[in-house]
Amino acid sequence: EAQVTQNPRYLITVTGKKLTVTCSQNMNHEYMSWYRQDPGLGLRQIYYSMNVEVTDKGDVPEGYKVSRKEKRNFPLILESPSPNQTSLYFCASSSGQYNSPLHFGNGTRLTVT
Amino acid sequence: AQSVTQPDIHITVSEGASLELRCNYSYGATPYLFWYVQSPGQGLQLLLKYFSGDTLVQGIKGFEAEFKRSQSSFNLRKPSVHWSDAAEYFCASSGGYQKVTFGTGTKLQVIP
Repeated sequence: EAQVTQNPRYLITVTGKKLTVTCSQNMNHEYMSWYRQDPGLGLRQIYYSMNVEVTDKGDVPEGYKVSRKEKRNFPLILESPSPNQTSLYFCASSSGQYNSPLHFGNGTRLTVT
Repeated sequence: AQSVTQPDIHITVSEGASLELRCNYSYGATPYLFWYVQSPGQGLQLLLKYFSGDTLVQGIKGFEAEFKRSQSSFNLRKPSVHWSDAAEYFCASSGGYQKVTFGTGTKLQVIP
């Protein structure tokens, strides 16, 4: 089954403790992206990747890192999480064509205390 | 810069009634436009998309949307809403290089 898999689904951590949210897709998609969803703000793009070893900042990249060492994986790294990063995070992928839709994971709800 | 506006934060309709969710985009050229639906606890699922051709596009679950260049709009419609349609709906546009911009979403409540 074609899917985008994120782990974990829920994560509670403390300020400053490094964490990684994993994302993997099995559709051989070139494009992958991370979004955060906050009430009233919709989805905002954090980082995206057009292909292996090619990443770029989205609209809200501060406090986040990503890597794309393999085509299927696109982890999101918070090296020193802060409470304002408490949010619902989504990973998405697509074939990379302009009109190709995004396929989303089921989300990771992160709470930073 | 492209932007997407969904003016309605929350809409309530009766089951069986018709539905229209509004979306306005701002972009120099014709963008690629999408509607996604998010059920509680789930990721977003594509309902339909528009990139050229017929301005009325059909999607899954009985939804359709009409692209109107003169109004910079891409409104989502359904003739008869079912209780299972209760969800949050997002309009999105892509202007290139897969830079997808989302609206802030419209929450749909369906009452019996």
